[in-house]
Amino acid sequence: NAGVMQNPRHLVRRRGQEARLRCSPMKGHSHVYWYRQLPEEGLKFMVYLQKENIIDESGMPKERFSAEFPKEGPSILRIQQVVRGDSAAYFCASSPEVLYEAFFGQGTRLTVV
Amino acid sequence: GENVEQHPSTLSVQEGDSAVIKCTYSDSASNYFPWYKQELGKRPQLIIDIRSNVGEKKDQRIAVTLNKTAKHFSLHITETQPEDSAVYFCAASMRGGSEKLVFGKGMKLTVNP
Repeated sequence: NAGVMQNPRHLVRRRGQEARLRCSPMKGHSHVYWYRQLPEEGLKFMVYLQKENIIDESGMPKERFSAEFPKEGPSILRIQQVVRGDSAAYFCASSPEVLYEAFFGQGTRLTVV
Repeated sequence: GENVEQHPSTLSVQEGDSAVIKCTYSDSASNYFPWYKQELGKRPQLIIDIRSNVGEKKDQRIAVTLNKTAKHFSLHITETQPEDSAVYFCAASMRGGSEKLVFGKGMKLTVNP
């Protein structure tokens, strides 16, 4: 089992561009969670998805941010018109069921210049 | 909403000493408390977790205690080793599992040889 795979590991975008972050959960995991981590801070919950459904997006900004977990393929976190404040590490985690532990990916470090 | 406070923010110990990290949570409905270890530039990794129906859990050199009345939980590491050096995060969830974890800000542990 390859673990939770995120790509790219590092992403540089200019202000106003779009950022697409991908997450492939562990095999057999149907629950995906996205978290954002600012330097020297804890992780902040953004969104919880199951296949084709957004279960809880209460931590995700209403504008410019969106997430999906299609029937086939990885989960995508999309940030439109990025601003400098979006610079952070974005971690994806997955679990087989919501009551089980979450396994984290290596994260995508987004830098907006 | 739930808030998790973690202290101290940094701790330096000598190899072989014990280390204790304390966290408090605000919502008495929280029922799942995982601890994650994050090395520099790496993914958060679950090291131990505890649910609200248990007061204490131990795994080799690591133990976690939970006081529901006082709404605090602690991580104890005995016989520390240099490879224990990392940032440790506590988290809490009201949903019984990995859904919508609320993280503390982390504690940087340095174990000096």
